Amino acid sequence: EPEVTQTPSHQVTQMGQEVILRCVPISNHLYFYWYRQILGQKVEFLVSFYNNEISEKSEIFDDQFSVERPDGSNFTLKIRSTKLEDSAMYFCASSEFIGWGARLEQYFGPGTRLTVT
Amino acid sequence: GENVEQHPSTLSVQEGDSAVIKCTYSDSASNYFPWYKQELGKRPQLIIDIRSNVGEKKDQRIAVTLNKTAKHFSLHITETQPEDSAVYFCAVRRWEYGNKLVFGAGTILRVKS
Repeated sequence: EPEVTQTPSHQVTQMGQEVILRCVPISNHLYFYWYRQILGQKVEFLVSFYNNEISEKSEIFDDQFSVERPDGSNFTLKIRSTKLEDSAMYFCASSEFIGWGARLEQYFGPGTRLTVT
Repeated sequence: GENVEQHPSTLSVQEGDSAVIKCTYSDSASNYFPWYKQELGKRPQLIIDIRSNVGEKKDQRIAVTLNKTAKHFSLHITETQPEDSAVYFCAVRRWEYGNKLVFGAGTILRVKS
């Protein structure tokens, strides 16, 4: 069964450094997402991406964050200048399509644990 | 914005008993309600979902019920097994606005054998 994949599984970085988290969504999916989960807390939406542009973003997704689909398979999340509070598990997800009658399920990748020191 | 409340935060049951987790939501336009199971250090995995035009859905030992009028939906697990122990998250979606999922705070389910 196809799965969303993410690399790296764990990233340690120093405060102020830039990080890029990578995701390969399921191949026939058109909608991509980033969520984050601070240890012991709920999953929080960051951004959704469709047709090569951001369709929605949360208040967490400020100017330090950006997303990109650099080619036909990868989907990346960049944090320009990391802060201690960015430490979390970052999940990429993808779904087939939107719209009534379409498959709505979002499938999550295994996550990247980001540790900012 | 959408607010999702999930109860209880922890639930301990004896193996073989049933478990029920309930979520309430605020946005009456929400139209899709998935449940995810997350084991320690793993990804959230979709276990069952329901759309707003359906009142109940069942898949073997798990079921979800939706009450649109009261704006709540519940996960029911029957004949619980130790491998059901995990954190369960409910979520809601309103598809017109970017397709985001808004998650509840999670329920830690412990099944004692």
